[in-house]
Amino acid sequence: QKEVEQNSGPLSVPEGAIASLNCTYSDRGSQSFFWYRQYSGKSPELIMSIYSNGDKEDGRFTAQLNKASQYVSLLIRDSQPSDSATYLCAVKGGTDKLIFGTGTRLQVFP
Amino acid sequence: EAGVVQSPRYKIIEKKQPVAFWCNPISGHNTLYWYLQNLGQGPELLIRYENEEAVDDSQLPKDRFSAERLKGVDSTLKIQPAELGDSAVYLCASSPRTTNEQFFGPGTRLTVL
Repeated sequence: QKEVEQNSGPLSVPEGAIASLNCTYSDRGSQSFFWYRQYSGKSPELIMSIYSNGDKEDGRFTAQLNKASQYVSLLIRDSQPSDSATYLCAVKGGTDKLIFGTGTRLQVFP
Repeated sequence: EAGVVQSPRYKIIEKKQPVAFWCNPISGHNTLYWYLQNLGQGPELLIRYENEEAVDDSQLPKDRFSAERLKGVDSTLKIQPAELGDSAVYLCASSPRTTNEQFFGPGTRLTVL
């Protein structure tokens, strides 16, 4: 079992829809969770961090964390073509190391 | 605030040649990371520095890779000799003492022929 798992996609959504990206992790002791956006040929860009159970909203982005289910998600409301990118889930576990998933490719079509 | 700076952005070398990458972290960030990212994969940690001390180098292939962070600011990652399988993007990241958030530089794309 991989430490951080994501569906590779692509996830295709129409412009204006809600995109839902999911991530599961194996280390039950993990305390810090991050979402990075990575455009093709570019480096990862931090868009959300979440540390406690529940929802955290920042503009069109909402991160959701459920530690009991070892599940973290990212919702993108009013998706735009410019949101088309790979979204990387990253989890900081007991080793104090940030473990990345392989990413989910999101495609937003007009 | 300036971001993480890396150079060069691209490097093409022949196998068995040496190569070095340079990173300047965000001002005031005491923690510096070197990652390797292969196509279709997430970044994988090579080494983490707290100030000038390497606190996690367990994933660094020490037979050919070396790194240093003199004076606790800039860092250099070296590969000698390079192998075909080293072709990847090498990313540098930094984080402040107060949070776990890591910020990445633009990366160096290495091609070994």
